[in-house]
Amino acid sequence: GAGVSQSPSNKVTEKGKDVELRCDPISGHTALYWYRQSLGQGLEFLIYFQGNSAPDKSGLPSDRFSAERTGGSVSTLTIQRTQQEDSAVYLCASSPPGRETQYFGPGTRLLVL
Amino acid sequence: GENVEQHPSTLSVQEGDSAVIKCTYSDSASNYFPWYKQELGKGPQLIIDIRSNVGEKKDQRIAVTLNKTAKHFSLHITETQPEDSAVYFCAASMGWTSYDKVIFGPGTSLSVIP
Repeated sequence: GAGVSQSPSNKVTEKGKDVELRCDPISGHTALYWYRQSLGQGLEFLIYFQGNSAPDKSGLPSDRFSAERTGGSVSTLTIQRTQQEDSAVYLCASSPPGRETQYFGPGTRLLVL
Repeated sequence: GENVEQHPSTLSVQEGDSAVIKCTYSDSASNYFPWYKQELGKGPQLIIDIRSNVGEKKDQRIAVTLNKTAKHFSLHITETQPEDSAVYFCAASMGWTSYDKVIFGPGTSLSVIP
C-alpha cells in the first residue's frame, strides 16, 4: 500500500516568511511523529500525535513552531518567521495502533535564505 | 531521560567484509531497539528490531545482538554489498507502552567499497 507522503519535497523560502509542511500518514495509523534532521545529523524529535491530540510537544524548539492534525490523518507543521537555522530536512513518521515501528516519509527539505 | 550513543560515526569496509555498529543506552527501562537505514535523499527505513526478551535476532545478512546488563546493542552486517552503503541509526524506547518517545542515536555512515 501507499507509504507516508510529505509535501512539498523541497521548499526554499526567505528569512521571516512562514512555511507549512504537510504529512499524509499511512491509512489507519493513529500515531504520527515529526522530526528534524540537520545536514549530516541525527533525528531530532519535534512532536508526537495520537489521533488529533499532541500529548508530547516537548521537542518543538520555539513558539515559532506549531503543528496540528485533523481527522486523525493529515498533519501540518508550521514554522513562522523562518530563520536560517530552521534549514533542515523535516521528516514525518506514523505508526499503527499498538505498535512501535515508525514508518517514515521521504521528508521535506527546507532551505531558508 | 534516555540517551543513545552510537559508534563509529563513519565506517568503510570492503565489499564482502562484515560491518559492526555499536550502540549504548542509558535507561534500563528501555525494551525496544529498532535499527533504521537511511539512503541518500530518503527517509529512514526499519531494517530490524529487537525486544528486551531476546538476546539476538537475525534476518538474512543482518543480525542484532542485545546485552541488557551492559545496556548495549549492536548491528552486524555480513557479506556487505555496495547497496548497504547508507546511514544507519539505532534507537531505544520503552516500547511496551501505548506511547513512548523513540530516542535515536546520532547515526553511522557506512561506505562499502566495491
